[in-house]
Amino acid sequence: QKEVEQNSGPLSVPEGAIASLNCTYSDRGSQSFFWYRQYSGKSPELIMSIYSNGDKEDGRFTAQLNKASQYVSLLIRDSQPSDSATYLCAVNLSGGYNKLIFGAGTRLAVHP
Amino acid sequence: NAGVMQNPRHLVRRRGQEARLRCSPMKGHSHVYWYRQLPEEGLKFMVYLQKENIIDESGMPKERFSAEFPKEGPSILRIQQVVRGDSAAYFCASSPAVSSGNTIYFGEGSWLTVV
Repeated sequence: QKEVEQNSGPLSVPEGAIASLNCTYSDRGSQSFFWYRQYSGKSPELIMSIYSNGDKEDGRFTAQLNKASQYVSLLIRDSQPSDSATYLCAVNLSGGYNKLIFGAGTRLAVHP
Repeated sequence: NAGVMQNPRHLVRRRGQEARLRCSPMKGHSHVYWYRQLPEEGLKFMVYLQKENIIDESGMPKERFSAEFPKEGPSILRIQQVVRGDSAAYFCASSPAVSSGNTIYFGEGSWLTVV
């Protein structure tokens, strides 16, 4: 079982719709979770971090965490063509330092 | 406040040559991480370093790859006798402290092409 799993996509949504990106992880002791956005040929850019069960909102982005189900998701409201990118889920494994394990990423395509 | 600085941004090496990639962490950060991203794949952890110490090198290939973070100067990822399979983007990240939960910030990456 992979440590962090994401559907590779592509996930195609129309402009203005809600895009829902999902991620599961295997280490039950993980405490910190991150979503990064990566445009083609560019470096990962942090969008959201979440540490507690529940929802965390920042502008058009909402991260959701359910530690019991070992599941974290990212919702993007009012999707724009500029949101088209690969979204990487990252989990900080339990162990005391910032060793992030990344999923393979989900490619999102927002079409006008 | 400069971000994580990596150089070179693009590097071309012939098979058998050496590649050296440099990373200067963000100001105030003393922890450096190296990740590799093969074409169409996710980021793979390679190594975590503090000044003068390798903390975790569990993701480093056993041969040809080495990393250091000296007391003075940038962190260096060194790949000896490169092969075509080493062609990838190498990302460096840094963080200010050890405690779990601190965000790591990525540099713009170094793209290595082996011909």
